[in-house]
Amino acid sequence: AQRVTQPEKLLSVFKGAPVELKCNYSYSGSPELFWYVQYSRQRLQLLLRHISRESIKGFTADLNKGETSFHLKKPFAQEEDSAMYYCALSSTGGFKTIFGAGTRLFVKA
Amino acid sequence: DAGVIQSPRHEVTEMGQEVTLRCKPISGHNSLFWYRQTMMRGLELLIYFNNNVPIDDSGMPEDRFSAKMPNASFSTLKIQPSEPRDSAVYFCASQAAGSGELFFGEGSRLTVL
Repeated sequence: AQRVTQPEKLLSVFKGAPVELKCNYSYSGSPELFWYVQYSRQRLQLLLRHISRESIKGFTADLNKGETSFHLKKPFAQEEDSAMYYCALSSTGGFKTIFGAGTRLFVKA
Repeated sequence: DAGVIQSPRHEVTEMGQEVTLRCKPISGHNSLFWYRQTMMRGLELLIYFNNNVPIDDSGMPEDRFSAKMPNASFSTLKIQPSEPRDSAVYFCASQAAGSGELFFGEGSRLTVL
């Protein structure tokens, strides 16, 4: 069965500190992984996807098929990174996209 | 393009009443998704459509929930009768063919008293 697990509901770090939001998945086929972000009073939006292999707003995420993980990382957190982050999974070329429970990131000054 | 449009933005109703949430996807997108967001469970997929046809409704909680997509530019999610445990934010999202990226509406916050 498809499943996305984000073990931390809340993560609080100081500005300038490294941040890692954890995501593990369960999927029998070839998945496509995404990170979506919801800033205060804004729509949920795509942050990055594993196939693009690019850094967005300083965030990166590497798909580790051996550990079935897709952790989101940023070396130096900024206050504007405070938001709700969702890890998501879909089948390659497929439609159905499922999300984890989300992690709320607070970056303190 | 105004993006995915949902209405109403807020709905407060009493237990037992019928609730209808509406969604207009982005023009040209051929997949539409309904999600429910709660603090405890995050974003749950309720149902999704491809080319107006329901593909997977396994996430619909029970028979009180139903969804339709009569044409490419409109979908509804109906709850009848509503219960307090249905209180949540309901999101609609659309997707272009082969894209993978979901575009979300602003959500409909439902409170059932």
